[in-house]
Amino acid sequence: GENVEQHPSTLSVQEGDSAVIKCTYSDSASNYFPWYKQELGKRPQLIIDIRSNVGEKKDQRIAVTLNKTAKHFSLHITETQPEDSAVYFCAASDDYKLSFGAGTTVTVRA
Amino acid sequence: SAVISQKPSRDICQRGTSLTIQCQVDSQVTMMFWYRQQPGQSLTLIATANQGSEATYESGFVIDKFPISRPNLTFSTLTVSNMSPEDSSIYLCSVEGRGEETQYFGPGTRLLVL
Repeated sequence: GENVEQHPSTLSVQEGDSAVIKCTYSDSASNYFPWYKQELGKRPQLIIDIRSNVGEKKDQRIAVTLNKTAKHFSLHITETQPEDSAVYFCAASDDYKLSFGAGTTVTVRA
Repeated sequence: SAVISQKPSRDICQRGTSLTIQCQVDSQVTMMFWYRQQPGQSLTLIATANQGSEATYESGFVIDKFPISRPNLTFSTLTVSNMSPEDSSIYLCSVEGRGEETQYFGPGTRLLVL
């Protein structure tokens, strides 16, 4: 089955700086890569996703890049704000089944 | 995206008992899924709930422990059977988004087994 590794496990950034989270996956058949944000006590919320036919996607302050050859994808958050503090999960999907990374706890220092 | 609700939102149960969790969606969806999130951990897919047929379970999860029903395209239940403290987790349902691979999650059920 699919194995998704996510790094780092924790990330502390100064407000206004950028945050980068990286994930690798094992199954070359995976073709859909969503990112979820989970605030404490809440459900995971989809923040951005990318499909295998696209190399990069951007939505305001967040962007995701995908390198299918290397089997890795990354989340970039620019101009971080305190409300960006949360746990972020990457995932990879083949045929609707999501396999999640272990998560990254992001703390934005004011 | 669809509006997803789960009942109960939380429960405290005694070991050896069973709990049935309900997931309701405000629109018809083909794909519904059940996940487990152990304390401080990531999400693990338990099974895919199929309408009109048996659920498809992932490795490590069995029907006797986690029976699932899917009577129609807007509703599913997950039962956690013969519970032990190791079953203490958040259980989340998710649904596909309008035929795409995107999944949206319900609010979760927080289960504590004593």
